[in-house]
Amino acid sequence: DAKTTQPNSMESNEEEPVHLPCNHSTISGTDYIHWYRQLPSQGPEYVIHGLTSNVNNRMASLAIAEDRKSSTLILHRATLRDAAVYYCILRDVKSGGSNYKLTFGKGTLLTVNP
Amino acid sequence: GAGVSQTPSNKVTEKGKYVELRCDPISGHTALYWYRQSLGQGPEFLIYFQGTGAADDSGLPNDRFFAVRPEGSVSTLKIQRTERGDSAVYLCASSLTDYYNEQFFGPGTRLTVL
Repeated sequence: DAKTTQPNSMESNEEEPVHLPCNHSTISGTDYIHWYRQLPSQGPEYVIHGLTSNVNNRMASLAIAEDRKSSTLILHRATLRDAAVYYCILRDVKSGGSNYKLTFGKGTLLTVNP
Repeated sequence: GAGVSQTPSNKVTEKGKYVELRCDPISGHTALYWYRQSLGQGPEFLIYFQGTGAADDSGLPNDRFFAVRPEGSVSTLKIQRTERGDSAVYLCASSLTDYYNEQFFGPGTRLTVL
């Protein structure tokens, strides 16, 4: 499975934008980039995913580099509730294989200061 | 609507005892997953069910671990002869079908083996 690399931790101030980077230099053409986050004492929750184009939803934006070897999750205005561990995960959508399972790394612990 | 629920939320047991952890997935979700999360780590895949059958149990650490989903809905993870190293948070997730859909996680069961 292609691997991802994320910083161990990042800090932000409330109501400021946050850019969470992820490197995935060995990504394949059929790998989608998924982001999940895990709030304290909760299970992970889906945030966003994309393949090549930048994506926006109500929670965040995903900016994908042109060569797809890196991506950035953007929280436009961080709130205290966004303090969590953020995981960048690659999922291969080719049929077959074990693309049903999520392979989590250690993620990035985001601290939001009031 | 109701999300994924897991019971109990906490379980403390003694070394050598047998435990059962229960997962109620979102109604209509055919795919169900178990993950295990140790302190400071991301979740690790244990087993995947598609309907009633275990499609992939490659993540189960040894034969003391077993999981069932007899009617294609509720699932039970069973651990025999528990060891202190089994202490972790056990997470259950479900998704509408299988490999591509977003996974919805429960809050987890924190298992402590004394």
